Amino acid sequence: SAVISQKPSRDICQRGTSLTIQCQVDSQVTMMFWYRQQPGQSLTLIATANQGSEATYESGFVIDKFPISRPNLTFSTLTVSNMSPEDSSIYLCSVRRGQETQYFGPGTRLLVL
Amino acid sequence: AQSVAQPEDQVNVAEGNPLTVKCTYSVSGNPYLFWYVQYPNRGLQFLLKYITGDNLVKGSYGFEAEFNKSQTSFHLKKPSALVSDSALYFCAVRVLGTYKYIFGTGTRLKVLA
Repeated sequence: SAVISQKPSRDICQRGTSLTIQCQVDSQVTMMFWYRQQPGQSLTLIATANQGSEATYESGFVIDKFPISRPNLTFSTLTVSNMSPEDSSIYLCSVRRGQETQYFGPGTRLLVL
Repeated sequence: AQSVAQPEDQVNVAEGNPLTVKCTYSVSGNPYLFWYVQYPNRGLQFLLKYITGDNLVKGSYGFEAEFNKSQTSFHLKKPSALVSDSALYFCAVRVLGTYKYIFGTGTRLKVLA
C-alpha cells in the first residue's frame, strides 16, 4: 500500500484567488496523479505528474488553470488558479503501487465562494 | 470507447443480509478491474482488484467480487452487511495500454440497522 498525506484537508476560498494543494507520499514513486471529484460525481483525472518533466494534462484541463509541480519522487503540488465557484470540489492525489493498484490521499475539500 | 457503469445510485440493505453492488464494464482486451470505497470526508480506499486468475477475488473488510467475462460484470459482494459498510463505492477499470483509470459514477450503500 501507500501512505499519502495532503494539505490542506479543506479550505474556503474567495473567487479569483489561487490555492496550492500539497501531496506527500511515504516512499518514492514515478508517477503521481491528480483527480477532481465534483459534488455528487465520480473522479476525473486532471493530470499525471512525473518527476523531472512537465505534467501531462487530460482533455479539459490546462496548465494555466492547474499548474503542477513535481520537485522530487515523494512530493507534488497542484494549484487551482483564479478560482470560481465551479472549482468547488474534492481534489485527490494518487500514486500507483504494486501490481496496477492506485492509492489515494485523503483529499482536499475546496469551497469557492 | 472504454467505460465502466454502476447502474444503481443507491443500494439499501438490512444489516446481516448479503449485499451486492453492481458494476459492468466495456473494454477491449482483458480488463483490470478495481473496487474502492469512500467513507464520509475521507479519500478512496482500495478494496480489491481483478487482474488475472480466479474469477472470485477476495478483498478487505470481508468484501469479494466476481469477474464474469461473458456478462462483462464485476459485482461487489459481501455475505453479511454491517452498518459500518455504509459508504460510497466506486468501480474502476484501467484503460489498456495506459496508466489511466476510468471510474464509475459510484453507488451509495446504506446498511440499515
